[in-house]
Amino acid sequence: DIQMTQSPSSLSAFVGDRVTITCRASQSINTYLSWYQQRPGNAPKLLIYAANSLQDGVPSRFSGRGSGTDFTLTISGLQPEDFATYYCQQTYSSLFTFGPGTKVDLK
Amino acid sequence: QLQLQESGPGLVKPSETLSLTCTVSGGSISSRSYYWGWIRQPPGKGLEWIGNIYYTGRTSYNPSLKSRVTISVDTSKDQFSLKLSSVTAADTAVYYCARLGDYWKASDSWGQGTLVTVSS
Repeated sequence: DIQMTQSPSSLSAFVGDRVTITCRASQSINTYLSWYQQRPGNAPKLLIYAANSLQDGVPSRFSGRGSGTDFTLTISGLQPEDFATYYCQQTYSSLFTFGPGTKVDLK
Repeated sequence: QLQLQESGPGLVKPSETLSLTCTVSGGSISSRSYYWGWIRQPPGKGLEWIGNIYYTGRTSYNPSLKSRVTISVDTSKDQFSLKLSSVTAADTAVYYCARLGDYWKASDSWGQGTLVTVSS
């Protein structure tokens, strides 16, 4: 199985901050990497697919980079609605594994 | 606007079978461009992939659950279903259904989720 790790596990930030979350795969997954946002009590929402492609309707302050084993999600100018938990997911192998999540809260 | 809605019992007894259905509206489950999947999330924990199905009936399952999971599709009703047998308290979770794009397999549309509790 391909294991996914994320760092940090949590972070505190101010509105307007630039935030970067890292996701690492235990083996190369090319660019088969998605990022999701989950607010409490809600289903996850797709932000980024194919490592760097912005899903329709997602604000451009969200961006993704990376390939192989190392990936990042950056939020440029954190907004109040961005305080949530973020998950990465690989879909390279037949078992689609998620990272453990990164919780972003208000400083 | 595509919508997915999970339905099924919210309480299942240990050793019994959990059964959920996802109804797709605003789109066709028979589209060649998508797969359909199940994901779960234990209370306060992260996301776990259960499996997915194509409209033809081709399935892929999480090996850790494979011996207990069956996902099926009913194209006439635009529904797909999950059955998880021999459940224990560890299967207590919010269960989500989702649509996956056919190439990158990103889950671009999700149901609201349904909490299933395993308890006697």
